[in-house]
Amino acid sequence: DAGVIQSPRHEVTEMGQEVTLRCKPISGHDYLFWYRQTMMRGLELLIYFNNNVPIDDSGMPEDRFSAKMPNASFSNLKIQPSEPRDSAVYFCASARRFHPAFFGQGTRLTVV
Amino acid sequence: KQEVTQIPAALSVPEGENLVLNCSFTDSAIYNLQWFRQDPGKGLTSLLLIQSSQREQTSGRLNASLDKSSGRSTLYIAASQPGDSATYLCAVRDSGGGADGLTFGKGTHLIIQP
Repeated sequence: DAGVIQSPRHEVTEMGQEVTLRCKPISGHDYLFWYRQTMMRGLELLIYFNNNVPIDDSGMPEDRFSAKMPNASFSNLKIQPSEPRDSAVYFCASARRFHPAFFGQGTRLTVV
Repeated sequence: KQEVTQIPAALSVPEGENLVLNCSFTDSAIYNLQWFRQDPGKGLTSLLLIQSSQREQTSGRLNASLDKSSGRSTLYIAASQPGDSATYLCAVRDSGGGADGLTFGKGTHLIIQP
């Protein structure tokens, strides 16, 4: 398996634009997580899915953030409209319950 | 709400030393605890996972212990090498209320001097 695949690796966008981050989890994993990493706050859980269903989105900072998982092999995280304070590295991870979580390489988002 | 703390925040030691990284968590109702390594500009690599019923796990020069009742875990690195330089993150997976997501500490930034 190629592991968790995220795209794009880097994204630079202007404030106010819509940003879409994409994730392909490892096949057979029934949990998918979106995290955000910043120097100040470290790694924060934004939302996670179990069997494609959102379970906990309490970490999503604002209504500008949304995430979907239309099927077991794809999820996206959207920010609309984007703001400079959204600049961070966004990680997607997948896991089976009681097993290690595997992380993608992350998307480095810069909003100018 | 679960909180995870890692001490020290940074550590620099000469090559060859044995060292211990510490992790503490506030809520002992966890499914498991996982140690990760993160290299600069990279994603996270899982090193060891300890289930709540286990007390330790070993992989090569790494040994992780878990004392769930006291809310503590340690990562022991034997005979450290410059290639071990990275940020080490501890994360717990909670067992209650559907909180299956990992809660991370801020990490220990480790530098091994050649």
